[in-house]
Amino acid sequence: GQSLEQPSEVTAVEGAIVQINCTYQTSGFYGLSWYQQHDGGAPTFLSYNALDGLEETGRFSSFLSRSDSYGYLLLQELQMKDSASYFCAPRSGNTPLVFGKGTRLSVIA
Amino acid sequence: GAGVSQSPSNKVTEKGKDVELRCDPISGHTALYWYRQSLGQGLEFLIYFQGNSAPDKSGLPSDRFSAERTGGSVSTLTIQRTQQEDSAVYLCASSGTAASAQPQHFGDGTRLSIL
Repeated sequence: GQSLEQPSEVTAVEGAIVQINCTYQTSGFYGLSWYQQHDGGAPTFLSYNALDGLEETGRFSSFLSRSDSYGYLLLQELQMKDSASYFCAPRSGNTPLVFGKGTRLSVIA
Repeated sequence: GAGVSQSPSNKVTEKGKDVELRCDPISGHTALYWYRQSLGQGLEFLIYFQGNSAPDKSGLPSDRFSAERTGGSVSTLTIQRTQQEDSAVYLCASSGTAASAQPQHFGDGTRLSIL
């Protein structure tokens, strides 16, 4: 079967750095995706890690450790507009992504 | 348009009625997914189409739910004899292929309210 864990809520201050962790258990693991969803909006793709290590895209970085079945999303220089839900989604074989309940990030002044 | 298009954007109906939700994927995308999202919750997988293969219906919550994809493009999700617990946002996504690293592109969803 599959399991997915990430914190339900995180609060951080504007301008700070926040890390959202994700642990997963799945067979036939291919890679880990991250999506962002603002309230009332559609999920949008942020990043995908197929290999171990850190992938950086502007203020956002994503990390994967396949041996630990663990990844995280790192958001730097937080802005108010980063307040949203963030979903990690492991890709497993030829199957659709499994999304957990996500992490609700609140950025405060 | 260039993105995934869903219609209607909002649907209010009475309990017991049937509803049809439509999804127009990005042109050329072979994979199409339906998800359901209740308020404040994650995305619940419903059904997935990949090319001409038989759809993966493993996420459909009951036999009141069905979906089809005509001509490998537009998809319709049908809910028969709607119940109040069916109230949710129904999201459609498409991607180039399911097994690649290509991301899923989501539509804005249909907000379904059952009275």
